[in-house]
Amino acid sequence: QVQLVESGGGVVQPGGSLRLSCAASGFTFSGYAMHWVRQAPGKGLEWVAFIPYTGSNTYYADSVKGRFTISRDNSKNTLYLQMNSLRVEDTAVYSCAKGLDIAAAGFDYWGLGTLVTVSS
Amino acid sequence: QSALTQSRSVSGSPGQSVTISCTGTSSDVGSYNYVSWYQQHPGKAPKLIIYNVSQRPSGVPDRFSGSKSGKTASLTISGLQTEDEADYSCCSYAGRSTWVFGGGTKLTVL
Repeated sequence: QVQLVESGGGVVQPGGSLRLSCAASGFTFSGYAMHWVRQAPGKGLEWVAFIPYTGSNTYYADSVKGRFTISRDNSKNTLYLQMNSLRVEDTAVYSCAKGLDIAAAGFDYWGLGTLVTVSS
Repeated sequence: QSALTQSRSVSGSPGQSVTISCTGTSSDVGSYNYVSWYQQHPGKAPKLIIYNVSQRPSGVPDRFSGSKSGKTASLTISGLQTEDEADYSCCSYAGRSTWVFGGGTKLTVL
């Protein structure tokens, strides 16, 4: 069965950096687009970043563009999110999600997420 | 990239039907038939229940149905069951490899 397990969250000061990982199993990781989605406390879901199965291009929400970098290592079945210049408003649970066969259609499996807290 | 608009909460009794709406713009819901819906129970990962506006993944009961008219998508849950009590979020493709979610609707089964 499909499993997505995030790690790397924690408490960081504003302006700091953090790298999240998402270990995937139960499907051919190299064949699917992947996303990061976050949910701030008491708020709705927010799409953060997308990487196609090839990893050839990357796409970001305006709120994180220029600060976050999504990447993948298909040999390790792992997705990453490098987060720099973190802000208080980046505090959220960050989840990785697997794209559907047609990437535009949405996300069919999600991890439980890892909590990132940005606070001084 | 403004969030889609969902009502904050909706409620219904077991056996009844409820509809959750999701309003976007001509740049997202109004332009693409890539609306998806997610069910999330507390402490659990979101679960895909509708994609491509009205398609159900394998294993999702046919009590869940989706539709779209113009810039508004809707999720209807018929024959409400207590286990349907959860948060429901819509999502739309917004072009240029970006997506936008709604703020989420809390469904209470009375």
